Order: sequence, then structure tokens, then C-alpha cells
Amino acid sequence: DSGVTQTPKHLITATGQRVTLRCSPRSGDLSVYWYQQSLDQGLQFLIQYYNGEERAKGNILERFSAQQFPDLHSELNLSSLELGDSALYFCASSVRGQTYNEQFFGPGTRLTVL
Amino acid sequence: DAKTTQPNSMESNEEEPVHLPCNHSTISGTDYIHWYRQLPSQGPEYVIHGLTSNVNNRMASLAIAEDRKSSTLILHRATLRDAAVYYCILRDVGGKTSYDKVIFGPGTSLSVIP
Repeated sequence: DSGVTQTPKHLITATGQRVTLRCSPRSGDLSVYWYQQSLDQGLQFLIQYYNGEERAKGNILERFSAQQFPDLHSELNLSSLELGDSALYFCASSVRGQTYNEQFFGPGTRLTVL
Repeated sequence: DAKTTQPNSMESNEEEPVHLPCNHSTISGTDYIHWYRQLPSQGPEYVIHGLTSNVNNRMASLAIAEDRKSSTLILHRATLRDAAVYYCILRDVGGKTSYDKVIFGPGTSLSVIP
């Protein structure tokens, strides 16, 4: 158990819908990362937050947005969902989010878009 | 961004040492070398990281070439639980804020034979 929690574990929805994935970092960690893992794309970095502020951005679509709240939990919002958005979404946290800090990954949310 | 190259797959016998190679010929002087692994149906987990010197921890050892253009993750005695995808990634400590995109390649799928 990494100490990072993600809810829900599974999510099934339809194309065009909007969903919110939630992540609670390990106690004391200030930085949160979001990743998408699909069969054909591997593990793709989406975005990183540190203490409420966006710090680094990867291949995140405009239909996706994220934020980190004052209590340090984070939410990833996915809208206008397409079939290709079906994937595992992982959240990770680290102490300060700098490049030499190890990341602790949550168990993931499996999103299925029908 | 500096990239890494790893073999797609490797096999090892149980209780034998395993050497997982990673090439990073375009590594910069400020890149840390990180290794993560992902067990089936789980999120990735941190294994080890280093900058220039070889590193040891309870999970593995990391041997870094003198020119830093390659590294090797060493599992001293493979167990069935070590069957996973192993990712070698570079994290750039340079720049004003030391934050950056995180790039995972396809990794090496390690099979352990009983």
C-alpha cells in the first residue's frame, strides 16, 4: 500500500459524458501527478501540481483539466469523453515534486467509455 | 527530452541475478536516472534512482556507467514477485524550478521462471 488513494476504482460511462477522478496523496506529500495508461500508448504523463499550483504539463488534452485543493487532494476532470479515453488513470504523489523525489503511485481508476 | 532505450522483454530463472539494461546516450549532466516497476494490475512503484555513483537499496542495485550513457538495474535474486515491467526514466534536475515532464518508455517486461 503506497498511501495514495484513488476513487473510484472503476468507472463506466458513455461517450460525451463528463467524469471526475479523485486522488488523495500520501500524508505529507505536497505534489501530485496524473498519468494515463492505455494499451497502445503506455504510461503517459498528464500533469503535475505542487501545493495547489500547476508545475508541469505533459500530453493532457484540452478536454481534460485538473486541480489540487488546499487540503492537497487532487481531481482530474475528463469531459466530452471519447472511446479512446478508456484507460487506467494513475495518480502519484511525492514530497515536494522535484525531479529527484520518488513518486508513490495509487492503485488507479479504470475508466471505460462505451 | 532525453530518452531511454530498454529491451522489450527479458527472462530470468528464479533465485538467479537479473541485469536489466538501459541506454540513455543523450543524457545530460543534470539528469537523474530513476527506475520504477509495475506489477500486473498495479500502479508503478519506485525501485531506485541515482545520478553518478552506483546505488544500493533493499530492493535492488543501480550500476551507472562512467560516461552515464547507460545504466543497469540489478536484482540480486529474482523471485516470482519480481515479474513486472521495469521502466528506466530520466528526470532533469536542471532549470529554475526542477520540475519537468515525466517520460516513461515502454519498459522491459521481466518474466521469472520457477
